[in-house]
Amino acid sequence: EPEVTQTPSHQVTQMGQEVILRCVPISNHLYFYWYRQILGQKVEFLVSFYNNEISEKSEIFDDQFSVERPDGSNFTLKIRSTKLEDSAMYFCASRGGLAGASTDTQYFGPGTRLTVL
Amino acid sequence: QQPVQSPQAVILREGEDAVINCSSSKALYSVHWYRQKHGEAPVFLMILLKGGEQKGHEKISASFNEKKQQSSLYLTASQLSYSGTYFCGTVTYSGGGADGLTFGKGTHLIIQP
Repeated sequence: EPEVTQTPSHQVTQMGQEVILRCVPISNHLYFYWYRQILGQKVEFLVSFYNNEISEKSEIFDDQFSVERPDGSNFTLKIRSTKLEDSAMYFCASRGGLAGASTDTQYFGPGTRLTVL
Repeated sequence: QQPVQSPQAVILREGEDAVINCSSSKALYSVHWYRQKHGEAPVFLMILLKGGEQKGHEKISASFNEKKQQSSLYLTASQLSYSGTYFCGTVTYSGGGADGLTFGKGTHLIIQP
C-alpha cells in the first residue's frame, strides 16, 4: 500500500542553524501538507501546497519557514534559523485531490522529530 | 478555532464501550477522525461528511450532527489495540482548496486487560 515517507526520522540541530525536512508524498497525490506536534500537544497545521505554490498557511508558518517541491517526488520544509521552540515532531501529509479538502483523506507520514539545542 | 474534544482521557477494561465527542463553534463541513499511538503518525479512521451520516470501521463508528456542530466516535467492545490518542480534525470550508485540518487536543484512551 502506498505511503508517505519522511527523512530523517530524527534531527538534532543547534539553535540558529538551518534544517531541511524531507517528505515523499504518495505518488499520485496533488495536495501536500506540513503539520507539527509539540510533545504531548495537539497536531497543528503549518502549510498546504498545491500546484507548486503555497495554498494556505497558519500563523505558525512565518518567514523562517519555507516549502519547496524541488522535483517530482520530494516535498521539503526548511527552517532557516531554528529556535528552541521549533523542537517538535513534524508530519508531512498528502491527499489525492480528486475530492475537495472536506471529503478527501489526508495520509500522514511517520514524522521527523526535530530537537533544537 | 480548534474543535473541543471530550473527555480528555478515558480508562476502560477490554470489552467496554467508549464515546469520544468533538464539537466546534463554527459550522462544519466534515470531521476527520485519527488515532495516534505514542511516537507514531496519526492513522486515519474515517471521515464524517455534512449531511449527518454515520460511518463505521470494524467496531468503531461515528456520527455527525450538523445542527449541533459536533461529531461522536463510538468504540464498541474495546480491544487492547484501541489504546492511543484520538484526534478529530475539522474542515469548516467546503471549497476544493488545500485547507489544512484543525485538530482538537485529543482524547487519551487506555484499555486495560
